[in-house]
Amino acid sequence: SSELTQDPAVSVALGQTVRITCQGDSLRSHYATWYRQKPGQAPLSVIYIKNNRPSGIPDRFSASSSGSTASLTITGAQAEDEADYYCHCRDTSGNLVLFGGGTKLTVL
Amino acid sequence: QVQLQESGPGLVKPSETLSLTCTVSAGSFSGYFWTWIRQSPGKGLEWIGNVQNSVSAYYNPSLKSRVTISGDTSKRQFSLKLTSVTTADTAVYFCARDAYPRGPIDSWGRGSLVIVSS
Repeated sequence: SSELTQDPAVSVALGQTVRITCQGDSLRSHYATWYRQKPGQAPLSVIYIKNNRPSGIPDRFSASSSGSTASLTITGAQAEDEADYYCHCRDTSGNLVLFGGGTKLTVL
Repeated sequence: QVQLQESGPGLVKPSETLSLTCTVSAGSFSGYFWTWIRQSPGKGLEWIGNVQNSVSAYYNPSLKSRVTISGDTSKRQFSLKLTSVTTADTAVYFCARDAYPRGPIDSWGRGSLVIVSS
């Protein structure tokens, strides 16, 4: 398969936990990377290769994977976490790159 | 710290060729996939393609017939050419550095808005 599927929108109450999911056959053989994008900005990686956080990303961001589904969890969501989140991985051949359609996270 | 900067025309006429260049300052030019990604207004991210070692290029199948990505190690630049553009190609075009398989897309340009219009 050459697609990654995400829910278009998710909301979470301030301080609560939210999970954003991504589904696709490629996730059975490749780890997902997760990017956060705020309006007018370039995306920024928040999780890569299983559950690694780039420098500066708080530990409330974590990831998991099971079968063809990858998940990004934000534990104790903050107002500044409101953004669009994209999953990303290689296709089954390893040569092409896939992006999910994005999930708009609203923090209430 | 590596920085990427897109350059090129912000307005292209339908049926013409869109050309953008990304200049990479600092850091190694080898060992990465130098990548173009675009985002149409209000839409998600679309991977266009990449080039590695200025030789091997891979493209999004949906754009492959119109896209060429090339790299120039000596100039620390890589370029995008997209032919026969239509209004559907209007987007912000990002250049980026992909550290696969050891890391994510870890550096991005600020993005260049290209409008296709007569």
